[in-house]
Amino acid sequence: DSGVTQTPKHLITATGQRVTLRCSPRSGDLSVYWYQQSLDQGLQFLIQYYNGEERAKGNILERFSAQQFPDLHSELNLSSLELGDSALYFCASSVFLGQGNSGANVLTFGAGSRLTVL
Amino acid sequence: GIQVEQSPPDLILQEGANSTLRCNFSDSVNNLQWFHQNPWGQLINLFYIPSGTKQNGRLSATTVATERYSLLYISSSQTTDSGVYFCAAHMTTDSWGKLQFGAGTQVVVTP
Repeated sequence: DSGVTQTPKHLITATGQRVTLRCSPRSGDLSVYWYQQSLDQGLQFLIQYYNGEERAKGNILERFSAQQFPDLHSELNLSSLELGDSALYFCASSVFLGQGNSGANVLTFGAGSRLTVL
Repeated sequence: GIQVEQSPPDLILQEGANSTLRCNFSDSVNNLQWFHQNPWGQLINLFYIPSGTKQNGRLSATTVATERYSLLYISSSQTTDSGVYFCAAHMTTDSWGKLQFGAGTQVVVTP
């Protein structure tokens, strides 16, 4: 168990629908990251939150949105779903290793939420 | 942008064999990490290795940042080592969480 909790593990839905994926970071971690893994695009960064605020954005579609709540859990909302949105969605949280500019956030991933759009 | 390239794309090993996976990256990085995705999809962080060498059991990794490559060594491979190995990195000017992943090396260890 990585300490990062994602729900649901599996989700099957239809095109045009909306779903919400939930993530709880490891205790003490303030950052939450969302990644999408699809067969054709590989692992893609979607968005990062730090202590409730958006910190960085990747190639996240306008149909997708996310937020981080005061208790630090995060939700990724996917709307107007298309077949191509079928993917494994990962959440990660991080611990900072090193010091200052020579340090980095080392990510720990949850088990993922597998979304199938039919 | 940064590019992360992994080789080989696929590797079939007999149990007990050793292997080396390579990751080449462009531009300056300060956050090279190796991950293993097991057959059930779980992504496990193996190493955070911006430079130097680290070892964890039968796995070790070396990053030569000045030459922009990293190597992951698997010794005495076991069937549980099967899965996809990813390296990931990001530019120093980017958000520290915005990792760019390579395409991965699919490893199959046969009994």
